[in-house]
Amino acid sequence: GAGVSQSPSNKVTEKGKDVELRCDPISGHTALYWYRQSLGQGLEFLIYFQGNSAPDKSGLPSDRFSAERTGGSVSTLTIQRTQQEDSAVYLCASSYTTGPRKAFFGQGTRLTVV
Amino acid sequence: QKEVEQNSGPLSVPEGAIASLNCTYSDRGSQSFFWYRQYSGKSPELIMFIYSNGDKEDGRFTAQLNKASQYVSLLIRDSQPSDSATYLCAVNPSGTYKYIFGTGTRLKVLA
Repeated sequence: GAGVSQSPSNKVTEKGKDVELRCDPISGHTALYWYRQSLGQGLEFLIYFQGNSAPDKSGLPSDRFSAERTGGSVSTLTIQRTQQEDSAVYLCASSYTTGPRKAFFGQGTRLTVV
Repeated sequence: QKEVEQNSGPLSVPEGAIASLNCTYSDRGSQSFFWYRQYSGKSPELIMFIYSNGDKEDGRFTAQLNKASQYVSLLIRDSQPSDSATYLCAVNPSGTYKYIFGTGTRLKVLA
């Protein structure tokens, strides 16, 4: 695609429910990143994929969070048993793995846990 | 010490002036540096990247990198009200592929 696409744009869920957030990166970008941005805060790194493998999961805040990437393309971030503190904008970015590795972001998924 | 530090602002400049945004980083081995612009309610948009010491110019934007002093800056010439946004500095530390972001500097360009 022309840009990074994320779905849904908005998600309201009840505390305790599971949610899945989807990211479709720019075609040809083998690197994919998930970040989280809470209201008025900076970007918090969650996980990095190179191809289908995730060499860096250091930012996942708890074992309720997991992510996978299949076919070297689409990625899904899953949050189990959501808590109110999970409310944030979840941003996905992709880049090439060579050169200056410029990362381009999708429009984000705004998650609200009520 | 935070890995990437920015003054949160707001930085207010009059229209037509030069806006100067600064960022310091802690990992001396960092190789790549990026500036993103984020409008309220929108996702970050890449506007500049730099990886060599010195200046890099692109239109009204100039990125400056000084690895010895571990700072990177962004100059915006002829600032316009449409430049009003939060500017995020991002650094790619050595040995990792992730980007560490500063908390951003809010810029207000006054008409």
